[in-house]
Amino acid sequence: AQKVTQAQTEISVVEKEDVTLDCVYETRDTTYYLFWYKQPPSGELVFLIRRNSFDEQNEISGRYSWNFQKSTSSFNFTITASQVVDSAVYFCALRPETQGGSEKLVFGKGTKLTVNP
Amino acid sequence: DTGVSQDPRHKITKRGQNVTFRCDPISEHNRLYWYRQTLGQGPEFLTYFQNEAQLEKSRLLSDRFSAERPKGSFSTLEIQRTEQGDSAMYLCASSYPGLAATGELFFGEGSRLTVL
Repeated sequence: AQKVTQAQTEISVVEKEDVTLDCVYETRDTTYYLFWYKQPPSGELVFLIRRNSFDEQNEISGRYSWNFQKSTSSFNFTITASQVVDSAVYFCALRPETQGGSEKLVFGKGTKLTVNP
Repeated sequence: DTGVSQDPRHKITKRGQNVTFRCDPISEHNRLYWYRQTLGQGPEFLTYFQNEAQLEKSRLLSDRFSAERPKGSFSTLEIQRTEQGDSAMYLCASSYPGLAATGELFFGEGSRLTVL
């Protein structure tokens, strides 16, 4: 079974603070992908990053960084120097790497981030 | 606008009525997905198409739900005899094989269904 847990339901920070969103996953597959998507108030989910289970290198993209630790089944997301525009619901998701198999993404329940000015 | 388009954006209906949602994917994308999102939850997979073929259906898709993509372009999702539990945001996404295999999807803004 596949499961994604985002224990933080809501987080509120003040602009310029750093914030980390936690994601813990469960899967029996040896090969899988992990994702983060952002859902602003408009409702349209926006892809942020994909990480293959074989690639445990951390990644940085501007103010965003991701920490993938297979040993703890975690894929955490950090926003450095947060801005008001970062306010959104952030979803972590999991999908096995398949050849002709299921293509469904399994999403966590999301973490609502509010960045106050 | 060349993104994924969904219509209507909001539908209010009475229990027992039928409703239909339409999704127009990004034109060069041959894969199309439907997800459902209830309040405070993450999206849940319903079904997906490659061109006109429906390749996977979730057990969430009861007999009252049917999705089609007749010409491999736009798709419709119909819910018959709606129930209050069907109230949710119905999200459509599209992709093409290179990206779809890695899970990068392009989502529309969703169609919100309220069943009274």
